[in-house]
Amino acid sequence: EAGVTQSPTHLIKTRGQQVTLRCSPISGHTSVYWYQQALGLGLQFLLWYDEGEERNRGNFPPRFSGRQFPNYSSELNVNALELEDSALYLCASSKGQLISYNEQFFGPGTRLTVL
Amino acid sequence: RKEVEQDPGPFNVPEGATVAFNCTYSNSASQSFFWYRQDCRKEPKLLMSVYSSGNEDGRFTAQLNRASQYISLLIRDSKLSDSATYLCVVNTNAGKSTFGDGTTLTVKP
Repeated sequence: EAGVTQSPTHLIKTRGQQVTLRCSPISGHTSVYWYQQALGLGLQFLLWYDEGEERNRGNFPPRFSGRQFPNYSSELNVNALELEDSALYLCASSKGQLISYNEQFFGPGTRLTVL
Repeated sequence: RKEVEQDPGPFNVPEGATVAFNCTYSNSASQSFFWYRQDCRKEPKLLMSVYSSGNEDGRFTAQLNRASQYISLLIRDSKLSDSATYLCVVNTNAGKSTFGDGTTLTVKP
């Protein structure tokens, strides 16, 4: 069974630019989560999508946004990039919000560098 | 105060040692609990879910104490390959997942 996939693996952008990161969940999973992990720091919850809807959002500014498509894949968009947006962006998927123990499985991440 | 707190370590132990990690959480509405391991510059991988009755998987034992709002992970007979950062994760029914900052374990020969 294929795991969570993310693209691209690495990205270099400059301040003020916009970026789109992509995630494909495990087949049969309807929930997608996005996290930011800056170097040497813990995971910070960004967004949760389930069945095409944004279900919850972490404490990030509105320039972080995303969407989930009918096939449950997802995009994370970051506008007006700032230096501190440099981080590993991780996507995870799970079987959905109605599952009480909805273990999340992570993709390999996209490493974003903002210069 | 952070919602999920872990002792950052590092824990440096010899092979064969038993090591225990604790994690406390502040949201009493938390519903599900997990331990993940993360190797350097890699994605977190699910180690085990933590159930109210406690659960064991080989050398790993996880326990949950809802009254005191903490979970624990015990690793017996440590192997070199156990060296990693161990992340405690707490979920609410609203789908919000809060990760601890992790505890670093180094197992030495």
